[in-house]
Amino acid sequence: NAGVTQTPKFRVLKTGQSMTLLCAQDMNHEYMYWYRQDPGMGLRLIHYSVGEGTTAKGEVPDGYNVSRLKKQNFLLGLESAAPSQTSVYFCASRNYEAFFGQGTRLTVV
Amino acid sequence: KNQVEQSPQSLIILEGKNCTLQCNYTVSPFSNLRWYKQDTGRGPVSLTIMTFSENTKSNGRYTATLDADTKQSSLHITASQLSDSASYICVVLIAVDPASGGSYIPTFGRGTSLIVHP
Repeated sequence: NAGVTQTPKFRVLKTGQSMTLLCAQDMNHEYMYWYRQDPGMGLRLIHYSVGEGTTAKGEVPDGYNVSRLKKQNFLLGLESAAPSQTSVYFCASRNYEAFFGQGTRLTVV
Repeated sequence: KNQVEQSPQSLIILEGKNCTLQCNYTVSPFSNLRWYKQDTGRGPVSLTIMTFSENTKSNGRYTATLDADTKQSSLHITASQLSDSASYICVVLIAVDPASGGSYIPTFGRGTSLIVHP
């Protein structure tokens, strides 16, 4: 009963470093999403995918890239991390009902 | 301007009391409206999903209502429990490109922080 799994759960990066967040789902969902959640802002959509091999920009895509090479995985990349990208990142997948991962707390110093 | 507005921003109630959270949206067309519960440090969990043709949907002590004409939804919590302390988020799925049968993406409200005191 894995659902949506995000790795890592916590990470501290130095400004300019790169990293990749992995989201994996075992429910055969077509739609997958990456969000960031900041205090007082609610969840904001970074990028999303409507199926394997597809990606699209959300509300706040700058500074992030994504890939959906396999249906079950949706990767979020930060090529050159900035302090403004300090946030909690959530991945979600859905067909009709959406399921969220437990979040990745990222700090950029 | 946020397309999904929630009120109040925060709410404190005593255990056992009822409360109602509000969600007003301006987006259209939309596929459905959802309410989520997010415990501190956890991902959101779905409570209810309502299409534009549904007026009321219940999930245990949670009852959601939807008025598609006025673009308002509410979440009523009955006989609150300490475990109800959480953030409650209203989400509207809006069409990206309905003319081409495009996909729907979720638009989130900022949530209502509910604290239930014993």
